Formats: sequence, C-alpha cells, structure tokens
Amino acid sequence: DAGVIQSPRHEVTEMGQEVTLRCKPISGHDYLFWYRQTMMRGLELLIYFNNNVPIDDSGMPEDRFSAKMPNASFSTLKIQPSEPRDSAVYFCASRDRGRDTQYFGPGTRLTVL
Amino acid sequence: GENVEQHPSTLSVQEGDSAVIKCTYSDSASNYFPWYKQELGKGPQLIIDIRSNVGEKKDQRIAVTLNKTAKHFSLHITETQPEDSAVYFCAASSHGSSNTGKLIFGQGTTLQVKP
Repeated sequence: DAGVIQSPRHEVTEMGQEVTLRCKPISGHDYLFWYRQTMMRGLELLIYFNNNVPIDDSGMPEDRFSAKMPNASFSTLKIQPSEPRDSAVYFCASRDRGRDTQYFGPGTRLTVL
Repeated sequence: GENVEQHPSTLSVQEGDSAVIKCTYSDSASNYFPWYKQELGKGPQLIIDIRSNVGEKKDQRIAVTLNKTAKHFSLHITETQPEDSAVYFCAASSHGSSNTGKLIFGQGTTLQVKP
C-alpha cells in the first residue's frame, strides 16, 4: 500500500485566499483524522471521520475551516479565507477500526503571506 | 479532557548512550500509549506502543514502560545511533466501545545523537 497520500506537499498563498488540502487514506481504513502542527501548539487534532461521517470537529479553530469526506478514499480540509496564523503543517492520518495505530501522511506545509 | 505532558523538550546524547523520554497523562481512562518518531519533513511514524494491561514492552533497542498508578510512561532507547536523531512524540488515548481512540499528543522531544 502507498500509505496515506496528501496533496499538495507545499502551498503558499496570500491572506484572504481559499486553500484546499487533500487526503487519500489507506485503503480499507474507516477512520480519518486531520491534524495541525505548529511550534507553539504542537500536534492538534482538528476533526475526525468514521465511515465518511464527521464525528468530532471540536478542534476546528473557527468557521473558516471546513472538512469533508465525500467517499472512503478522499477527504478535503478547506480554509476560507486564509490568514497568516493558519500557517502550519497539516497532517492527515487514517486508522483501521480493528486496530489502534494511526498512520500519518507526509503532511502539507501551508504558508499564508 | 486528556492532557499529556512530555519532558524533556530537547535531549542530546553521545552515540552509544541511552536516551529516556518521559510523559505523564491526566485521564485515568486512557488505555493506549503510542510513541511516534518524526524526521524532518516527514509525518510521524509509530515506533512502539503499549496498552494499559502491560507494564513494559520492548522491541530491539527501544522499550516503553507504563506506570498506571502514577499515570506516566517512558520511552527508552539504548545504544543510540545518529539515525535516532529526530523528534519523538508520546500520545495517549482511550480505546473502548464508546470512543474511537482520539490521540492526545505531548509537545515532543528533539533528540540529537552526536557521533
């Protein structure tokens, strides 16, 4: 398996622009997690899905952030409008219902100017 | 909710020495404790994990110990090598029929192994 795939790997945008991050989980995994990593706050869980349904979005910082999972093999995290404080590395991870281990993707480094 | 504290934030050792990283957690319901290694420009990768029904687990040069009473767990790396240099994260979660194992991460430890 190719593992969790994220795109793009790097994104540079200007404040106010819409940003869409993409994730393809490991085939057969039914949990998908979105994390944000910054120096100040470390690794924070933003939202997670079970069988494509959002279960807990309490970590989403504000209404500018939204996430969707239209099918078992694809999820998006959207920021609209983006702000400089959104600059971070965003990770997607997936997990099999029967297992404990979360597998992380390589991350998307977002820079908002 | 769960809170995980990790120490030290940075650790420098000579090649061949041992390294120990410690974490404490707050939620007594937590029962799963993984350790992740993150290399520069990559996502975290699981290196070892332990469940609350086990006190110690070992995999070659790495081991994890868990003290449920004190709510702390530790990562031990023996015979360190330069390739062990990375950021290490501990995490805690509660796995059971009523929850889905949300991971709460510590702040991370940057380990430097000097040749």
